[in-house]
Amino acid sequence: KNEVEQSPQNLTAQEGEFITINCSYSVGISALHWLQQHPGGGIVSLFMLSSGKKKHGRLIATINIQEKHSSLHITASHPRDSAVYICAVKVGNNDMRFGAGTRLTVKP
Amino acid sequence: NAGVTQTPKFQVLKTGQSMTLQCAQDMNHNSMYWYRQDPGMGLRLIYYSASEGTTDKGEVPNGYNVSRLNKREFSLRLESAAPSQTSVYFCASSNRVDTQYFGPGTRLTVL
Repeated sequence: KNEVEQSPQNLTAQEGEFITINCSYSVGISALHWLQQHPGGGIVSLFMLSSGKKKHGRLIATINIQEKHSSLHITASHPRDSAVYICAVKVGNNDMRFGAGTRLTVKP
Repeated sequence: NAGVTQTPKFQVLKTGQSMTLQCAQDMNHNSMYWYRQDPGMGLRLIYYSASEGTTDKGEVPNGYNVSRLNKREFSLRLESAAPSQTSVYFCASSNRVDTQYFGPGTRLTVL
């Protein structure tokens, strides 16, 4: 079993829909990251969380440390949000473990 | 600022050949990382360097060596490439608040 599990693996939405991507982890962590990988392959860091909730534009990330669970929400989704979203956890000082990613397609 | 740069972008090797993947960052970050990304498996950490002069193994270090040449540069070497090392390789660096900045990746094929 992977230490970091994401669901769903694939997600198709219509433009304007509210989207939720989930991440569960089974190890002790010091921080959790959400990353976005564009169709061209580039990876961008969206959020780093150690507790609570963060918001950036239409993106919201939450984490529940007790339940070892995080969610990434996208409000008013747009075709340009189409990408792979990756959950990653920091284990120890520098070790990172990644989920397999959620491929999001937003249709106009 | 160029951020994190990687060379080459693409490489094809024959089994047994050696090569070095280069990575450089211009953000004055202490920590640098090498990952590989394989379909369905997500990114996996190969090696990391918490500071100049130090390197540590990650999740999948076998078959690789690294050098932290200076604060800017962190190279990954394959001494004897194997088909199982066919992958996309990403270099990353991070600041003291742990946000990771990724390079554009190197697509390596080993025949």
